[in-house]
Amino acid sequence: DTEVTQTPKHLVMGMTNKKSLKCEQHMGHRAMYWYKQKAKKPPELMFVYSYEKLSINESVPSRFSPECPNSSLLNLHLHALQPEDSALYLCASSQLNTGELFFGEGSRLTVL
Amino acid sequence: SQKIEQNSEALNIQEGKTATLTCNYTNYSPAYLQWYRQDPGRGPVFLLLIRENEKEKRKERLKVTFDTTLKQSLFHITASQPADSATYLCALDIRMDSSYKLIFGSGTRLLVRP
Repeated sequence: DTEVTQTPKHLVMGMTNKKSLKCEQHMGHRAMYWYKQKAKKPPELMFVYSYEKLSINESVPSRFSPECPNSSLLNLHLHALQPEDSALYLCASSQLNTGELFFGEGSRLTVL
Repeated sequence: SQKIEQNSEALNIQEGKTATLTCNYTNYSPAYLQWYRQDPGRGPVFLLLIRENEKEKRKERLKVTFDTTLKQSLFHITASQPADSATYLCALDIRMDSSYKLIFGSGTRLLVRP
């Protein structure tokens, strides 16, 4: 079983809604990641946090707003999304120098 | 432009045979290359990591090679089983100042027929 927990597993939202995706890990990892995955495509990196600081933003639109309140938690705040933002959102964590990413099971987002 | 390509979208083999998957990249100089398995509707699961100065890595029925001159990695599953059916993703490990990022290839769907 994965040690990265994502909630909710499924989310349906309208284009004017504000919602959040949550991710939690208790492996002591100091790097956390958000990926977006569309059907039959590979995961696409969105954000990387290192030591609770945003270190990489892959030119993601501002309607996606990440937050890392502490070393175990990662949030992705969603506002004014478009239907094309519907996808599987994957959270992952890693030790900073070992390379291996541990993924959660994802949050399936549908934007109506 | 930078690209990571996996040789085929799908690979169909008979149980017991060796599956060989290819990952080619251009305009990258990764320090590491990783392979992941992903089942439908689930997050990717790490399988193997190989460093730029390593030619080959093995783990049980899995073997990975890494040729930085050819910019290619080969991933082998020997004595394949139907339970090996999944999508396999290669990923390049791009090191930056205080962090690193993992960029995934397009993936190969492997189907092992009983």
